[in-house]
Amino acid sequence: DVKVTQSSRYLVKRTGEKVFLECVQDMDHENMFWYRQDPGLGLRLIYFSYDVKMKEKGDIPEGYSVSREKKERFSLILESASTNQTSMYLCASSLERGGYEQFFGPGTRLTVL
Amino acid sequence: RKEVEQDPGPFNVPEGATVAFNCTYSNSASQSFFWYRQDCRKEPKLLMSVYSSGNEDGRFTAQLNRASQYISLLIRDSKLSDSATYLCVVIQMDTGRRALTFGSGTRLQVQP
Repeated sequence: DVKVTQSSRYLVKRTGEKVFLECVQDMDHENMFWYRQDPGLGLRLIYFSYDVKMKEKGDIPEGYSVSREKKERFSLILESASTNQTSMYLCASSLERGGYEQFFGPGTRLTVL
Repeated sequence: RKEVEQDPGPFNVPEGATVAFNCTYSNSASQSFFWYRQDCRKEPKLLMSVYSSGNEDGRFTAQLNRASQYISLLIRDSKLSDSATYLCVVIQMDTGRRALTFGSGTRLQVQP
């Protein structure tokens, strides 16, 4: 079974803090993704990566950056957290580029005060 | 207008009922279609693909209507365990890359 893990289930941070969300997958997948999920808006793609050290912007990259130093690990960084970044953050991986079956981690519920 | 639209529900149905959800998409160049399921406080998981000819998996049937740009999911003989949010997913070519676009989901509550 594919396993995608995320570093924290719940996180509370203050406005202006730098926040790191970590994601690790154990299936040797090339492709990794970061989404945020908000009520009524569904999942929105923030950033994705098709290879180590490669990253591409998704639909809502503003205020975020990512890092992929190793194949299994994809980190999402909030450079200066703001209250409108309070959300559920979901990491996913897939075997094929553009593949439709994405395996999701359990999510991190981030609250920015 | 959202690229992928779903009725948020909730759909409250008794056990054994048949229930259907629709999902409309705005981009006629959309290529592939899927349904994901998300249980409360859990991550989304792939439920099934949607083919032009229709796709059936046990009590679940998915269909695509390209002319009207919508996909549907039919659940027969609903079980309590079917209670979840069902996400419609559309894949389209977007500036040279294949992009998955998720709908915001339809919540189903099956009642005893």
